[in-house]
Amino acid sequence: AQSVSQHNHHVILSEAASLELGCNYSYGGTVNLFWYVQYPGQHLQLLLKYFSGDPLVKGIKGFEAEFIKSKFSFNLRKPSVQWSDTAEYFCAVKHNQGGKLIFGQGTELSVKP
Amino acid sequence: GAVVSQHPSWVICKSGTSVKIECRSLDFQATTMFWYRQFPKQSLMLMATSNEGSKATYEQGVEKDKFLINHASLTLSTLTVTSAHPEDSSFYICSAPASGGGEAFFGQGTRLTVV
Repeated sequence: AQSVSQHNHHVILSEAASLELGCNYSYGGTVNLFWYVQYPGQHLQLLLKYFSGDPLVKGIKGFEAEFIKSKFSFNLRKPSVQWSDTAEYFCAVKHNQGGKLIFGQGTELSVKP
Repeated sequence: GAVVSQHPSWVICKSGTSVKIECRSLDFQATTMFWYRQFPKQSLMLMATSNEGSKATYEQGVEKDKFLINHASLTLSTLTVTSAHPEDSSFYICSAPASGGGEAFFGQGTRLTVV
């Protein structure tokens, strides 16, 4: 069965530190990959997505992610986090033959000012 | 961007009663919508796929008689939690994919508390 795994349950960083959140998926076919963010009390918002082409994808708010097909990974990165990045981050996968998104467990990011 | 609106944002109901949650696509048509459930500090678990004009497709382990889904029009899907019990208390989220099947847009979620 298709699954998505996020390695970090809770990450605590100081402002200006660099961020990398891991995401691995298990599906051999063509996939679409997403990172969503959920700020406290708000709904899910799309950070970035990968469908095809350049495996390094840039999203909003300075986030980027790299798709490494051989590793089935789609890690999220940001060079310098801000306090306002405190939120829950979800990696999600959708395979081309279906419309449903499969989510990872989520990573809670806490940024200390 | 596209907007998905969910109503109500929160609801408290007595055990044994039924609760209906609405999900509307405000500026686009959605032949398919998805319903998720999110427990505190956990991920979103897909419950079912709502299809306009046909029966919903439920994920394994989801009771279709308990979680009734109706996709009445191209802009509205409803989830009814029937005979709710405290263990049904959760955060329910709907989403609709953008045209072309790309990214999904999410509603703001409904916090259900069954007492």
